[in-house]
Amino acid sequence: GAGVSQTPSNKVTEKGKYVELRCDPISGHTALYWYRQSLGQGPEFLIYFQGTGAADDSGLPNDRFFAVRPEGSVSTLKIQRTERGDSAVYLCASSEVGGAIGNEQFFGPGTRLTVL
Amino acid sequence: KQEVTQIPAALSVPEGENLVLNCSFTDSAIYNLQWFRQDPGKGLTSLLLIQSSQREQTSGRLNASLDKSSGRSTLYIAASQPGDSATYLCAVRTGANSKLTFGKGITLSVRP
Repeated sequence: GAGVSQTPSNKVTEKGKYVELRCDPISGHTALYWYRQSLGQGPEFLIYFQGTGAADDSGLPNDRFFAVRPEGSVSTLKIQRTERGDSAVYLCASSEVGGAIGNEQFFGPGTRLTVL
Repeated sequence: KQEVTQIPAALSVPEGENLVLNCSFTDSAIYNLQWFRQDPGKGLTSLLLIQSSQREQTSGRLNASLDKSSGRSTLYIAASQPGDSATYLCAVRTGANSKLTFGKGITLSVRP
């Protein structure tokens, strides 16, 4: 596609529910990243995929958060038993390559998650 | 642990002024540095990418410089316009891990 797309753009859920956030990277980009941005803060890293595998998941805050990228393209961020503190904008980015070379990251518009 | 600082948090200037936005980082062993623009309620738009071996990059009215040894980068905006009003974030990539570490951003307002 022309750019990184994310769906939904907004998600409102109740505390304790399960949510899935989707990211469609730029076609041909092998590296995919998830970040989380709270109000007034810069984005914080969550997880990085190189192809289908999670190369670095050190930013995931706890085991309620999980992400997959089964075919090396689209990725889904999954949050179980949501808490009010999970409310934030979830941003996805992709780059042509990652790892030791790693280059410019392009971001999607984000999904604004609100947990009531 | 890498930390990125952007000061001040907000800046207001009259249209036409040339301005400099500052970014500092604690670990000088970076792979690259990116400057982004974020409009309210929107995602991030990449403005400039500077590799660790480079000193500066230019795109139109924007010029970004990098002094890796002192842990500093500046984004220079020439002849500012009201359309430049946005939040500007810098981010560094440290080590072989591809993740970016961001500053909190500088919210710029250009007054007509």
